[in-house]
Amino acid sequence: KAGVTQTPRYLIKTRGQQVTLSCSPISGHRSVSWYQQTPGQGLQFLFEYFSETQRNKGNFPGRFSGRQFSNSRSEMNVSTLELGDSALYLCASSSNTGTDEKLFFGSGTQLSVL
Amino acid sequence: DAKTTQPPSMDCAEGRAANLPCNHSTISGNEYVYWYRQIHSQGPQYIIHGLKNNETNEMASLIITEDRKSSTLILPHATLRDTAVYYCIVSWGGKLIFGQGTELSVKP
Repeated sequence: KAGVTQTPRYLIKTRGQQVTLSCSPISGHRSVSWYQQTPGQGLQFLFEYFSETQRNKGNFPGRFSGRQFSNSRSEMNVSTLELGDSALYLCASSSNTGTDEKLFFGSGTQLSVL
Repeated sequence: DAKTTQPPSMDCAEGRAANLPCNHSTISGNEYVYWYRQIHSQGPQYIIHGLKNNETNEMASLIITEDRKSSTLILPHATLRDTAVYYCIVSWGGKLIFGQGTELSVKP
């Protein structure tokens, strides 16, 4: 099976712009989660989608949003970019067949905001 | 906030066993203990998880104390490629809250 695919791998934006990141989960996986990783804050949970519905949400401002499509692919959007949004954004998928879920992570999108 | 406490860093000699401790004294009865690792600039990689019993797979062994308040990840024969940040997480239902992890350095 192909792993979790995230595109693009690298992205450079300027303050005030918006950005959309894409994630294709492992085939058959219905849950997609997003994480932000920065040197200062570490790995922080953004949100989780399951069957096109947001099921869990982390403590991030409304500028961060996401969605999931019927084929389980997911996108996350960040509007009005700030310098502090520079980070590695990671997507993870799981089959969500029970309560002990293993997450499989992609390689991430490295976003730089100038 | 993360519910686990790990030492920030550890060293291990190549070929020796690496024993990474984790404290999770507030773990709930239905929460699992997960271990992930992250090699620089890559996404975290699942290693192993367990509820009550000790677990072993091709990568590692997980030892959970009887009271479930702590656990140890064991890499039986560490190699240089095991150098990474190791995260211990307690969770139920798939939402993982990462702490700062343990930076393991395997040295020749």
